Amino acid sequence: QSVLTQPPSVSGAPGQRVTISCTGTTSNIGTIYNVHWYQQLPGTAPKLLIYDNTNRPSGVPDRFSGSRSGTSASLAITGLQAEDEADYYCQCFDTSLSGSVFGGGTRLTVL
Amino acid sequence: EVQLAESGGGLVQPGGSLRVSCAASGLTFSDYWMTWVRQAPGKGLEWVASINQDGNERKYVDSVKGRFTISRDYAKNSLYLQMNSLRVEDTAIYYCATVRGTFFSDYWGQGSLVTVSS
Repeated sequence: QSVLTQPPSVSGAPGQRVTISCTGTTSNIGTIYNVHWYQQLPGTAPKLLIYDNTNRPSGVPDRFSGSRSGTSASLAITGLQAEDEADYYCQCFDTSLSGSVFGGGTRLTVL
Repeated sequence: EVQLAESGGGLVQPGGSLRVSCAASGLTFSDYWMTWVRQAPGKGLEWVASINQDGNERKYVDSVKGRFTISRDYAKNSLYLQMNSLRVEDTAIYYCATVRGTFFSDYWGQGSLVTVSS
């Protein structure tokens, strides 16, 4: 059972928009600490996708965007492409655990 | 170009010990918090441990406290995870990563597989 809750899977057709939710508590997302998102393609290491709730590292397409409100956060992907098929994880610092916590991961399938 | 390269994984029996290493290049190693994140087969990511720039602050997930030790060597630009009293449930790919700002990781190694089995 992960501290941050994500849907196990989402899917969408090419060109569509999908969102992935990440629900936390007042000990993590509901604090001053920001939410980050990672993309993990099959058989590879995670890659930073969104940091500090809404920021994209250099090289990440603007089809990817993040938001945060209260104790929840979301990742949106517009203009779905086949190459977006991957696992996506949210992450935040947890003040009660005094450490980083991840969501359980969401498998995105492009139909 | 920043590169993180893990090594030292392998097969170990329950109760045994193993040390995984992470060699860093292309960055000023002493500027970064560093962290270990693991991923059990077919499972999600789990934060394991982190160490600050000076090496005097360390954080661990509860499940490894007292068994694992994170450390760093500035002369070798290397990060280590000493794992003792290993359990079957410690079987995972262990990734090292840099830590920036509000605890996000922008650079990751390719991972090192640790298998605990009799």
